Amino acid sequence: QVQLQQWGAGLLKPSETLSLTCAVYGGSFSPFHWSWIRQSPGKGLEWIGEIGHSGSTNYNPSLKSRVTMSLDTSKNQISLNLKSVTAADTAVYYCARESGGILYTRFDFWGQGTLVTVSS
Amino acid sequence: EIVLTQSPATLSLSPGERATLSCRASQSVTNYLAWYQQKPGQAPRLLIYDASNRATGVPARFSASGSGTDFTLTISSLEPEDFAVYYCQQRSNWYSFGQGTKLEIK
Repeated sequence: QVQLQQWGAGLLKPSETLSLTCAVYGGSFSPFHWSWIRQSPGKGLEWIGEIGHSGSTNYNPSLKSRVTMSLDTSKNQISLNLKSVTAADTAVYYCARESGGILYTRFDFWGQGTLVTVSS
Repeated sequence: EIVLTQSPATLSLSPGERATLSCRASQSVTNYLAWYQQKPGQAPRLLIYDASNRATGVPARFSASGSGTDFTLTISSLEPEDFAVYYCQQRSNWYSFGQGTKLEIK
């Protein structure tokens, strides 16, 4: 059974960089794509971006200028960096596996979520 | 950007009743529409993918239909564990989610 375990700092000050890591256990890392999604009371579920097993990335245009995703295939880990955070970035952050046929269309496995709070 | 609008925002029903949830897209998503269930403190759980296919382990009381811009999730006979928030999600150039329907016990 595929399991995603994520971790990272939960409390940040404005202007700092959010850094989260997600490890994949019990399943193949490739050929899947991997996404980060966040959930806040004000904006609901928001897709942040995705990274493919080859390292190709695709980001939500609204966050693209601040987001970087990377992967470490030797450790089956993906990472998220979001720079210059503000209070509006306070949310629960999830990593998730994408699945599908020709096109990846849904998220079939999710991490447990990490609450990130931005406060001075 | 494709916007997904779910209705109703809240649905109050009793166990054993039938639930019908709606998701409307601002433009066609063909059949690339998924449904998720989320309970408090948990990550969303995939229920339905590609508009009408149940994910692994999802009970048969969950069914879904639709294509293009109008989609429906139906729970034929509500069990106590079905009371949760339900989200639809689409994939075009990128992903987006609806704002959710809260299914609560009447």
